[in-house]
Amino acid sequence: NAGVTQTPKFQVLKTGQSMTLQCAQDMNHEYMSWYRQDPGMGLRLIHYSVGAGITDQGEVPNGYNVSRSTTEDFPLRLLSAAPSQTSVYFCASTQLSTDTQYFGPGTRLTVL
Amino acid sequence: GQQLNQSPQSMFIQEGEDVSMNCTSSSIFNTWLWYKQDPGEGPVLLIALYKAGELTSNGRLTAQFGITRKDSFLNISASIPSDVGIYFCAGRQPGGSQGNLIFGKGTKLSVKP
Repeated sequence: NAGVTQTPKFQVLKTGQSMTLQCAQDMNHEYMSWYRQDPGMGLRLIHYSVGAGITDQGEVPNGYNVSRSTTEDFPLRLLSAAPSQTSVYFCASTQLSTDTQYFGPGTRLTVL
Repeated sequence: GQQLNQSPQSMFIQEGEDVSMNCTSSSIFNTWLWYKQDPGEGPVLLIALYKAGELTSNGRLTAQFGITRKDSFLNISASIPSDVGIYFCAGRQPGGSQGNLIFGKGTKLSVKP
């Protein structure tokens, strides 16, 4: 049982490049979410999904897209990276019966 | 949006000391969670609380769900160097979408060996 996995661990992009951050969970959780973590800002919700085919915006969705074609996978796409998107990104999967979120190890993204 | 006020923001303590931190809100919560984040890792769940007044322990850690439902406390007894990290509180409000948690900004704990 791997829990929540994220790839890549580190990424450097140039302004304007696009990329996809991968997230997968093997706990059969319906609810998944993406956060970004910046110094002094805590964790801020980008997008979330309550099940396959359903996604919604969180607190800071601009510049990011998501899709949820399967229960297991929840990729986060940056269509045109900007320096303001330099951050650490965490994917999480939630066991709704206990309200507990399980986090992946994170992706550290730098946009030059 | 709703914010959780977590304090202190950071603290240095002597090994062996007890630590206390708290999280407060202007509105009530149904669930309180405490996480710890080690450097370079994702947050890991420490304790979950589900009803007002609940007191739950996990080893040297003890957390309480405030009786007013607007606050929660985390205590660490006899701190050791591996307690270093950032501690986050998180909660879910009544009527909030299940799964949507609100996070505090964290308490950074540093221990002097």
